[in-house]
Amino acid sequence: DTEVTQTPKHLVMGMTNKKSLKCEQHMGHRAMYWYKQKAKKPPELMFVYSYEKLSINESVPSRFSPECPNSSLLNLHLHALQPEDSALYLCASSQDQNGMYTQYFGPGTRLTVL
Amino acid sequence: DQQVKQNSPSLSVQEGRISILNCDYTNSMFDYFLWYKKYPAEGPTFLISISSIKDKNEDGRFTVFLNKSAKHLSLHIVPSQPGDSAVYFCAAVEGGNEKLTFGTGTRLTIIP
Repeated sequence: DTEVTQTPKHLVMGMTNKKSLKCEQHMGHRAMYWYKQKAKKPPELMFVYSYEKLSINESVPSRFSPECPNSSLLNLHLHALQPEDSALYLCASSQDQNGMYTQYFGPGTRLTVL
Repeated sequence: DQQVKQNSPSLSVQEGRISILNCDYTNSMFDYFLWYKKYPAEGPTFLISISSIKDKNEDGRFTVFLNKSAKHLSLHIVPSQPGDSAVYFCAAVEGGNEKLTFGTGTRLTIIP
């Protein structure tokens, strides 16, 4: 099983709304990630959690707030977003084992901020 | 500073022939290299990876070659199929760093 699941698939929100994106993996991976992707660009790293602790924050605005409730779950809380935050938000998890590194992505949440 | 580069933004290949996608990097500390395939509005799909201690890794129709002295890797797809039409990203990571560095992508079109 190499699946990372994300909900919801699509989300439309106003600039005053509060919403959350959810991500789950059951591969036992120790690291989980949030990325933002705009059309025709590579994914941009936002946050990394390693062993349930935030290890990397790529200077992301505070209107994005990550949370890792346990080793299988990752949330991204959204508040007071701007229209330019509209993008595909991707969750991923990774493993470095037996001399091989892999990172698997979820299908993404398409976010539109009005 | 673009540490991972894919210099060909697009590539067209006849169905059944070999597709070769190229990637160059500048950071000699990268330990692993990965290739992803991406369709519009979907998450990237992991295809194949290679450790810096190897020069080749094969998985079905996909083979990745690594030339460390040239800081160059390539993905070969044989035979190419229409479903292979997508954007392909190469990515690299330093062991223990947890941060993937992506190339800018190459759009592959397979011509029936």
